[in-house]
Amino acid sequence: DIQMTQSPSSVSASVGDRVTITCRASQGISSWLAWYQQKPGKAPNLLIYAASSLQSGVPSRFSGSGSGTDFTLTISSLQPEDFATYYCQQAASFPFTFGPGTKVDIK
Amino acid sequence: QITLKESGPTLVKPTQTLTLTCTFSGFSLTTGRLAVGWIRQPPGKALEWLALIYWDDDKRYSPSLKSRLTITKDTSINQVVLTMTNMDPVDTATYYCTHGTTTWDYWGPGTLVTVSS
Repeated sequence: DIQMTQSPSSVSASVGDRVTITCRASQGISSWLAWYQQKPGKAPNLLIYAASSLQSGVPSRFSGSGSGTDFTLTISSLQPEDFATYYCQQAASFPFTFGPGTKVDIK
Repeated sequence: QITLKESGPTLVKPTQTLTLTCTFSGFSLTTGRLAVGWIRQPPGKALEWLALIYWDDDKRYSPSLKSRLTITKDTSINQVVLTMTNMDPVDTATYYCTHGTTTWDYWGPGTLVTVSS
């Protein structure tokens, strides 16, 4: 199985901050990576697919980059509604695995 | 619009078999490349992918749970069913069904299944 790690596990930030979350795969996955946002008590919401493609309806302050084993999710200017937990997921090979999550909370 | 909804028991006893149904609308599981998947999340923990079934009936399972899982579809009534045998308290989780191909762009609201005697 491909193992996914994320860093940091949590980050405290203020509205307007630039936030960067890193995801690393245990082996190369090309651009087969997605990012999800999850708020408490809700299902996850797809933000980014194919490492850098913005899902329809997702604000442009979210961006993704990377390929191979190292990936980044960036929120350019954190908004109040962005406080949530973020997960990466590899889609290169079965089983599709998720990272452990990064919680973004209010500083 | 695309919607999915999970249904099934909220409480099961250890060793019992769990049967969850995903009822969907807004798409057909006869469409090429499409899949319906199941993902779970224990309380306070991360997401875990369980299984998926493709439009052509190709089925994939998490290797760690493969012996306990079965996924089937009934395209005539737009349902996908997941069964998990020999339930254990560690299987307590919110179970989600999802739409997509390799990533999941639509999710059901989830159903919390508690395993307890």
